Amino acid sequence: NAGVTQTPKFQVLKTGQSMTLQCAQDMNHEYMSWYRQDPGMGLRLIHYSVGAGITDQGEVPNGYNVSRSTTEDFPLRLLSAAPSQTSVYFCASRPAPGQPNIGTGNTIYFGEGSWLTVV
Amino acid sequence: DAKTTQPTSMDCAEGRAANLPCNHSTISGNEYVYWYRQIHSQGPQYIIHGLKNNETNEMASLIITEDRKSSTLILPHATLRDTAVYYCIVRPFRWNTPLVFGKGTRLSVIA
Repeated sequence: NAGVTQTPKFQVLKTGQSMTLQCAQDMNHEYMSWYRQDPGMGLRLIHYSVGAGITDQGEVPNGYNVSRSTTEDFPLRLLSAAPSQTSVYFCASRPAPGQPNIGTGNTIYFGEGSWLTVV
Repeated sequence: DAKTTQPTSMDCAEGRAANLPCNHSTISGNEYVYWYRQIHSQGPQYIIHGLKNNETNEMASLIITEDRKSSTLILPHATLRDTAVYYCIVRPFRWNTPLVFGKGTRLSVIA
């Protein structure tokens, strides 16, 4: 099934540990992004990518690294987890103009979220 | 990028139409208005989008004012399952510019 897949769905980390949240899409979308959502808040953009080998910072990039070695994958790395990074993380993708659209029009596709707790 | 302003929360009686407003007074001529909703911390779900004309699909209708400075999302017969946070987003004309979410409107559908 076409879509955005995030793993893991749930993770508990100790302060100072590192980990990678995985995001993969099978729709050949050029644009991918990571958001975080704290309780009762809207989504805030962490990093985004407009194609393989290209990444850029969003609103809240500190403490996170990303890379885009392939069109399909956009992993988010926490180098040294802090309690302030406890949040729900969403990955999203969308096609570039002219790309074939899969699904409902030229829209944004979100993963189901990854719940991260840092203790 | 254009910014949006939405009420923090709204209530709607079950079976009635829910009208969710959004102001985007600085929208550019080629920017689209998108609506998404998020049910109980699931991933945001696409609802509808439009540029100038009013749009309708199986989920909702989108009414955009002639000057494009505001829009209204209409859920014609709200059900309890429509309780969610609704986000009005202006999509940048440049496809490779990031999308910025506001805090959205928390719609509560009441039986």
